[in-house]
Amino acid sequence: DIQMTQSPSSLPASLGERVTISCRASQGNSKNLNWYQQKPDGTIKPLIYYTSNLQSGVPSRFSGSGSGTDYSLTISSLEPEDFAMYYCQQDASFPWTFGGGTKLELK
Amino acid sequence: QIQLVQSGPEMKKPGESLKISCKASGYIFTDYAMQWVKQAPGKGLQYMGWINTQTGKPTYADDFKERFVFSLETSASTAYLQINNLKNEDTATYFCARDGSSSPFDYWGQGVMVTVSS
Repeated sequence: DIQMTQSPSSLPASLGERVTISCRASQGNSKNLNWYQQKPDGTIKPLIYYTSNLQSGVPSRFSGSGSGTDYSLTISSLEPEDFAMYYCQQDASFPWTFGGGTKLELK
Repeated sequence: QIQLVQSGPEMKKPGESLKISCKASGYIFTDYAMQWVKQAPGKGLQYMGWINTQTGKPTYADDFKERFVFSLETSASTAYLQINNLKNEDTATYFCARDGSSSPFDYWGQGVMVTVSS
């Protein structure tokens, strides 16, 4: 199985700040990397697919990049609704696997 | 609009069984596979597997091959997750998610909290 490692596990940040979350795969996965947001009420929303493509309705302050084994999610200017958990997920090789999550919290 | 609505919370004893549902609306049910994901309390997301909504064939991740059963009621656009011989470690929230054209989890249910305790 491909192991996904996210860092940091916790990220204190301020409104308006630019933040980046990293995700490393245990083996190269050809950009088959997706990002999800989970709110405190448990609701999960897809953000980005295939490394850098925004899902419909996702604000343009979110962006994704990467290749090979290293990927990242960047939020250019934090809004109040962005404080949540973020997960990366690979779908290059079954079984699909998720990173351990990054908690983005208000500093 | 596309929605996945899951059944309500469950409290069970070890050894019992349960079946939770995921009702889809807003799209043709058989056009997209259904995925299942487990989230233990305070933990991350764990992939359980998927079911082909055209053939009914399930595919399970290794940790979920023994007591877990995916099934369908196509006429009701509903997918089911059954867990047999419940154990304390099955305590978790279980999500269904549609396998979309852009990503394998493009729409999510709200999750079902399952508590297993004697």
